[in-house]
Amino acid sequence: DGGITQSPKYLFRKEGQNVTLSCEQNLNHDAMYWYRQDPGQGLRLIYYSQIVNDFQKGDIAEGYSVSREKKESFPLTVTSAQKNPTAFYLCATRATVSLNTEAFFGQGTRLTVV
Amino acid sequence: GQQVMQIPQYQHVQEGEDFTTYCNSSTTLSNIQWYKQRPGGHPVFLIQLVKSGEVKKQKRLTFQFGEAKKNSSLHITATQTTDVGTYFCAGPWYEGSQGNLIFGKGTKLSVKP
Repeated sequence: DGGITQSPKYLFRKEGQNVTLSCEQNLNHDAMYWYRQDPGQGLRLIYYSQIVNDFQKGDIAEGYSVSREKKESFPLTVTSAQKNPTAFYLCATRATVSLNTEAFFGQGTRLTVV
Repeated sequence: GQQVMQIPQYQHVQEGEDFTTYCNSSTTLSNIQWYKQRPGGHPVFLIQLVKSGEVKKQKRLTFQFGEAKKNSSLHITATQTTDVGTYFCAGPWYEGSQGNLIFGKGTKLSVKP
């Protein structure tokens, strides 16, 4: 989506290496999210953050870490502890976490472990 | 925790046929949102339903929110090849002061010309 930049678009990682996926937004949105998408699994929540310097684990946080040092940025690190990291990773934002705000998604990063 | 279930997982139709996907929540929802993800793309917001029994239309797409606000449907009339993609429903979920969206697993629509 315009205003949410994920990089890189494709990423290859060797087993045992950590890798960091970037997500930057210029929408001035409070909330940011990381989802993992696998075929047939829909969107599974990894981590989310509602304000700077605060974040919460989602349903599948094991093997991942995040930081929210700036409002615009919410990088995701896939650690070597993540047993099956090959997937499509989507970053999303919402203006606020109030009930009626929709999510805006970045273009995604496709991570492949080789 | 809250779950949002969506059926069917896949739907193959001939161009011109109708298509419907259903979304069911284990709890009452304050609202429900629908997204479309084109092949190779990212989810894009389509619409939000808030009121009990609400029906909204976008050209050939009709969205409904159940009276009990626990289910919803998306119906496409006379599908076209441009309708191909995965359709997701999503509902808001809160735990304490933390809020996020819970997505269904999606219905993947393929359209044969």
